[in-house]
Amino acid sequence: GENVEQHPSTLSVQEGDSAVIKCTYSDSASNYFPWYKQELGKRPQLIIDIRSNVGEKKDQRIAVTLNKTAKHFSLHITETQPEDSAVYFCAAITGFQKLVFGTGTRLLVSP
Amino acid sequence: NAGVMQNPRHLVRRRGQEARLRCSPMKGHSHVYWYRQLPEEGLKFMVYLQKENIIDESGMPKERFSAEFPKEGPSILRIQQVVRGDSAAYFCASSSSSEGEQFFGPGTRLTVL
Repeated sequence: GENVEQHPSTLSVQEGDSAVIKCTYSDSASNYFPWYKQELGKRPQLIIDIRSNVGEKKDQRIAVTLNKTAKHFSLHITETQPEDSAVYFCAAITGFQKLVFGTGTRLLVSP
Repeated sequence: NAGVMQNPRHLVRRRGQEARLRCSPMKGHSHVYWYRQLPEEGLKFMVYLQKENIIDESGMPKERFSAEFPKEGPSILRIQQVVRGDSAAYFCASSSSSEGEQFFGPGTRLTVL
């Protein structure tokens, strides 16, 4: 089955810096790659997603890139703010829309 | 348009008791997914249901766990004879189609004493 690896597990940046989180997947049939932000004790919230027919997608300070050949995708956050601090999860969908999640990255943005 | 609803938000059970977790999908959504999140870990898929049908239960333990999504009413995840290792946050998500975005509910935090 699908396996998603995510790095780094923790990431500390200064406010205003950029943050990059990387994920790799194993199933070449996966075709949808969402990113979720989860604050402590809250539900995962979709922040951006990309489908396999697109190489890059951007939404204000957030962008995602996808390299199908290498089977990896990355989340880029520019001009980070303290409210960006949370755990971020990448995921891949395979088969019957079963989301397979990465292990999460704890992002800490210091003022 | 109300989002995905889950209840209870917190549930405490003693070992050996039964836990019933309920999930009402967003209006118009007929696809429901259950995920489990252990403390400090990612979410793990458990089961995918459409109205009255289990589509994929590959992530659900074969014993003690069951799920249903009846024609009327919420989806229910049932855990019989709970053990301490069942303590986790259980999230459900819903989507409008098999290729649609999944919207998550607030989760039920199960604590087994």
